[in-house]
Amino acid sequence: DAGVTQSPTHLIKTRGQHVTLRCSPISGHKSVSWYQQVLGQGPQFIFQYYEKEERGRGNFPDRFSARQFPNYSSELNVNALLLGDSALYLCASSWGARADTQYFGPGTRLTVL
Amino acid sequence: QQQVKQSPQSLIVQKGGIPIINCAYENTAFDYFPWYQQFPGKGPALLIAIRPDVSEKKEGRFTISFNKSAKQFSLHIMDSQPGDSATYFCAAIGVDTGNQFYFGTGTSLTVIP
Repeated sequence: DAGVTQSPTHLIKTRGQHVTLRCSPISGHKSVSWYQQVLGQGPQFIFQYYEKEERGRGNFPDRFSARQFPNYSSELNVNALLLGDSALYLCASSWGARADTQYFGPGTRLTVL
Repeated sequence: QQQVKQSPQSLIVQKGGIPIINCAYENTAFDYFPWYQQFPGKGPALLIAIRPDVSEKKEGRFTISFNKSAKQFSLHIMDSQPGDSATYFCAAIGVDTGNQFYFGTGTSLTVIP
């Protein structure tokens, strides 16, 4: 079975632009969580979605938004990009509403110039 | 405020040694404590996890020790190998964290042949 997949792998944007990152969970998993990982730090929780509903939100500005589709894939959108948004964006999937046993994708490396 | 404090920041051991990575937490509502291994350019991979009702859990060469009263837990890697060289993260989640995982800041482990 395929693991969590994310696209694109790398992305370069300029300040003020908008970006959309995509994630496909492991087959059968209904929960998707998004994390931001700045170089040298641990992942920081952004959102969790379960059955297309937001179930958790971290301390990120409203420029960050997400949604989950009927097939459980998910998108993370970031508006008005700042230099500080440069990071590895990770998606993790899990089976249930509480994402205890979660599996991470390879991430999308976003660089904002 | 860092919810989970991890130490040391980096660790170098000889092959066959037993590196120990420590984490401490304050929120007594945390009830699930996983460890993740991350290689450069990859997403974190779940290694082993523990719940507060047990004091130790072993899976292969990896052992978690858990001290509920001290609010500390640690990862031990037995018979460490050069292939174990990676960054290790502890994490925690609880019933009052809104489905949010809190990660430590990571430990960069180098195992010298």
